[in-house]
Amino acid sequence: DTAVSQTPKYLVTQMGNDKSIKCEQNLGHDTMYWYKQDSKKFLKIMFSYNNKELIINETVPNRFSPKSPDKAHLNLHINSLELGDSAVYFCASSHGDSRYEQYFGPGTRLTVT
Amino acid sequence: AQTVTQSQPEMSVQEAETVTLSCTYDTSENNYYLFWYKQPPSRQMILVIRQEAYKQQNATENRFSVNFQKAAKSFSLKISDSQLGDTAMYFCAFMKHGSGGGADGLTFGKGTHLIIQP
Repeated sequence: DTAVSQTPKYLVTQMGNDKSIKCEQNLGHDTMYWYKQDSKKFLKIMFSYNNKELIINETVPNRFSPKSPDKAHLNLHINSLELGDSAVYFCASSHGDSRYEQYFGPGTRLTVT
Repeated sequence: AQTVTQSQPEMSVQEAETVTLSCTYDTSENNYYLFWYKQPPSRQMILVIRQEAYKQQNATENRFSVNFQKAAKSFSLKISDSQLGDTAMYFCAFMKHGSGGGADGLTFGKGTHLIIQP
């Protein structure tokens, strides 16, 4: 069984479009994250979220918004896509206590043309 | 805010050799956790090893071990008897101790591309 899954794995879209990436975890974790990996492989936290609070990296444009219908899901919605949004987006989950490992999804490669 | 620095963009060693990847970090936190993640060409992020800052003993996982120097804020990864399957990007990561939920997430270094030559 896949622990953390993301759909789609690849997404090609045009500038100005709105798109969503879905993330689901079946590990019973209470904290989920979104990371962005740019073309130079640099990984940066975008959001962390549990049922208590959402922490947003201040550098993330407000065109990006996480939506969590329940504890097992944290979707990423992106409005008005720009060329610079092209990257690989990783979802991850963990127990809320930071000592525990984060489990990563397979990533979604987003290409904006 | 904390920063993580990996000064070796790429390293190449022969199979069966031992290789050490360096990582330094900067933080004002006293309680935190350090991780090494591996990202093979499949792009899946895989935890290699983790270290709690309050533990003096260096973590070990089979062929992988760390040299954690808290005062120097250094956290290097040693891979013994390297194998072809170890070829990957290796990321050093920092997470401060959270108060349960809403953790700030991992702060990553820029990664080291490790190539194991046959």
